[in-house]
Formats: sequence, structure tokens, C-alpha cells
Amino acid sequence: EAAVTQSPRNKVAVTGGKVTLSCNQTNNHNNMYWYRQDTGHGLRLIHYSYGAGSTEKGDIPDGYKASRPSQENFSLILELATPSQTSVYFCASGDRDIQDTQYFGPGTRLLVL
Amino acid sequence: SQWGEENLQALSIQEGEDVTMNCSYKTYTTVVQWYRQKSGKGPAQLILIRSNEREKRSGRLRATLDTSSQSSSLSITGTLATDTAVYFCATDGGSALGRLHFGAGTQLIVIP
Repeated sequence: EAAVTQSPRNKVAVTGGKVTLSCNQTNNHNNMYWYRQDTGHGLRLIHYSYGAGSTEKGDIPDGYKASRPSQENFSLILELATPSQTSVYFCASGDRDIQDTQYFGPGTRLLVL
Repeated sequence: SQWGEENLQALSIQEGEDVTMNCSYKTYTTVVQWYRQKSGKGPAQLILIRSNEREKRSGRLRATLDTSSQSSSLSITGTLATDTAVYFCATDGGSALGRLHFGAGTQLIVIP
């Protein structure tokens, strides 16, 4: 069974603070993704990665950085958090060998005050 | 935008009824994937249909794809209360890069 875990599951941050969201996958998938989901909207892609050491900008990268230090781990970094970044964040992994099916983690609920 | 319609839609039905959800997309895709997201969980793929397929079935699920009209549908027969969830379709935009574009989704509520 594919497994993607995220930490923390809930986070309260202050405006201007630094926030790091972590994701770990045990699927040995090459690709990993970070999305945010806001009420009433679908998933919007922030950053993605094709493998260790690579990061690419998605559709809404402004205000976010990403880091992929290993095949298993992919982090999303908010250097200066703002209230507009309050959202639910999902990490996913996938691979071309499985027709790009993406396996999602349980999500991180972030509140920026 | 990848999608013709962006707003989250909502459907409320009685348990046992059949339901069909639709999505349309603007650009070419090699596959359409349907995902289900239950409350408080991450999305999970239900079914994948390739551009050379018109229909795909999996248990109570049936997906169709019409590439000429750039639309897809997901039907669930004999719904259960546990089918209550948000259903998304996703396309790859013809890209070989592994990215998916998700629509806003359909909120399905199945009343027991």
C-alpha cells in the first residue's frame, strides 16, 4: 500500500514567521507534489519535484519554497508566512510508471494569524 | 485555466439512487483520472481512463470519456452513504511531466 505521511498535521503560525511542512513517502516514487486546497476550490499546485535535488514551480509558487533532499522527503517552506497562506496543504507522490496516479497524504491544516 | 467550469458543485441524493457527475476540460489530455476526497482526508484515485478508451468500469463506478467534446463523466450506481465525498476529475494537459490539473470538484451527499 502506497504511503505518504505529512507533518505536522495542524499548525498555527504568526504572520512573518517561518513555517516548514514536511512530507515523506515510502513508495519510491520519483515525483512529489505540494498542493493547497481552499474551501470550495480544487487542488492548486505549488511546487513539484522529479527527484532528489530537483524542484519546479507549479501554478502558484509565490511565497513558497520547496526542498527535496532525498527520494523520500519533500518539504514546503513559507519563509514569511502571511494570513493568505492559511489553507490545507497536501503532499502527493506519483510516477510515470503508474500513469501519473498520485497518492496523497492526509494533509496539513495551517492557520496563519 | 484547464477547466471550463471552476465552481464547486453540489449534489444531494438518497441512498440507493444512481448519480452521474460531469467535468469538462479545455486542453488535450492523455488520461482523465477521477479522485474521491472524504472529509478530513486526502484525495484517493478511483478510476483512470485513457484517451483511447470511451468507457471504464470498476465495481459500482463507470467513467466515460469523450475526447471530441473534451468531457468526462463518473457514474455511481446504487449509492451508499459512505459515497458521500467530493469527487474531482484531473487531466494531464497532454504533458509528459507528471503534472495533473484538478477541477473544483463535485460535493456529493448521499442521504441514508
